[in-house]
Amino acid sequence: DTGVSQDPRHKITKRGQNVTFRCDPISEHNRLYWYRQTLGQGPEFLTYFQNEAQLEKSRLLSDRFSAERPKGSFSTLEIQRTEQGDSAMYLCASSPRRGGEGGYTFGSGTRLTVV
Amino acid sequence: DAKTTQPTSMDCAEGRAANLPCNHSTISGNEYVYWYRQIHSQGPQYIIHGLKNNETNEMASLIITEDRKSSTLILPHATLRDTAVYYCIGYTGTASKLTFGTGTRLQVTL
Repeated sequence: DTGVSQDPRHKITKRGQNVTFRCDPISEHNRLYWYRQTLGQGPEFLTYFQNEAQLEKSRLLSDRFSAERPKGSFSTLEIQRTEQGDSAMYLCASSPRRGGEGGYTFGSGTRLTVV
Repeated sequence: DAKTTQPTSMDCAEGRAANLPCNHSTISGNEYVYWYRQIHSQGPQYIIHGLKNNETNEMASLIITEDRKSSTLILPHATLRDTAVYYCIGYTGTASKLTFGTGTRLQVTL
């Protein structure tokens, strides 16, 4: 297990289309997080799972966004009816139950461009 | 979460020590000071964290003032590969999320 994997690395989509991103966390990590990052800003929290339960969602996560983590393993983030404002880097991270010595481990992200 | 304040940008010559300050005057007693960095087009990378004592690892040293209101991340011999945005974050380790600010953009030059 080499870290957090995200797929795809890049996605270009037309406005109004749906997109889905996948995140595979470190296998022994209970917690999984989704963040969004726009140019020049730090990552912004979207949502977090502990095992399969989605325990917190940011107000940034509009009803066009949905995240799942079936069976507490990989997670998907879907954006429906994409808008140009959804263009951003979507980052996934995982951590052990209590944050751990290393805090979070982030993936390399999925860069979404909505045209 | 503690609000942290960092300079927007800093420059450092290659081979010299880079000292990145962070103010966190509202940090609570159970919040650690975490440092992450983000190299262009990659996800943030954990560097180091501490509660009260100074800490050192293979990447950096962390100096926390006795009153815990500020800290300094030290990269002892900066290289061009250390060019990145550095984030200072107050985090309990058990809270639901890390909250990032805008960080310090460190540019290491020849």
